[in-house]
Amino acid sequence: DQQVKQNSPSLSVQEGRISILNCDYTNSMFDYFLWYKKYPAEGPTFLISISSIKDKNEDGRFTVFLNKSAKHLSLHIVPSQPGDSAVYFCAAHGSSNTGKLIFGQGTTLQVKP
Amino acid sequence: DAGITQSPRHKVTETGTPVTLRCHQTENHRYMYWYRQDPGHGLRLIHYSYGVKDTDKGEVSDGYSVSRSKTEDFLLTLESATSSQTSVYFCAISTGGAVYGYTFGSGTRLTVV
Repeated sequence: DQQVKQNSPSLSVQEGRISILNCDYTNSMFDYFLWYKKYPAEGPTFLISISSIKDKNEDGRFTVFLNKSAKHLSLHIVPSQPGDSAVYFCAAHGSSNTGKLIFGQGTTLQVKP
Repeated sequence: DAGITQSPRHKVTETGTPVTLRCHQTENHRYMYWYRQDPGHGLRLIHYSYGVKDTDKGEVSDGYSVSRSKTEDFLLTLESATSSQTSVYFCAISTGGAVYGYTFGSGTRLTVV
């Protein structure tokens, strides 16, 4: 049973428009949520995170929203750029101090010029 | 990937042979992790380490072992490689804090024929 799910394998948007990537989770004990971005032949890189005590965190063009009652988070990219084309993973951190992250399956975003 | 390197970057091996992948860090981080990335599954934790000689299993540990004799090195061994272990393997390091999560290596693409 997957504790973190990204149900959309792929998403295609036009340059300049908004990209919305979604993620659902099942464990209410997660205390942090993170988004990673991955280009081909590279390791994932950290993009943005949000604490479970907040409902929004913004960093430039990237905003993450957290809806705890629905156990749902989303990443908004505005405006989308062709360089944003990558695989995006959401991840959740438990309350232990081992730092373990549980990842979703990933969503491939294509931003068309 | 600054401060963390994986070797080799690519490897082809035969079924039944042992294989060792190496992760080396220069950040002196306490926590190190091995993940595998497969289509439709995202990133799944194989093993992790929370200090020298301290390791624990992740969700897909069968067929894998790890060792950490020095802070900077974390080795992943496939005891007898199988075709199901064909994958991209990522090492990650962390201070254990959740805010920024992990720093990932560039990955090792392993093919078992």
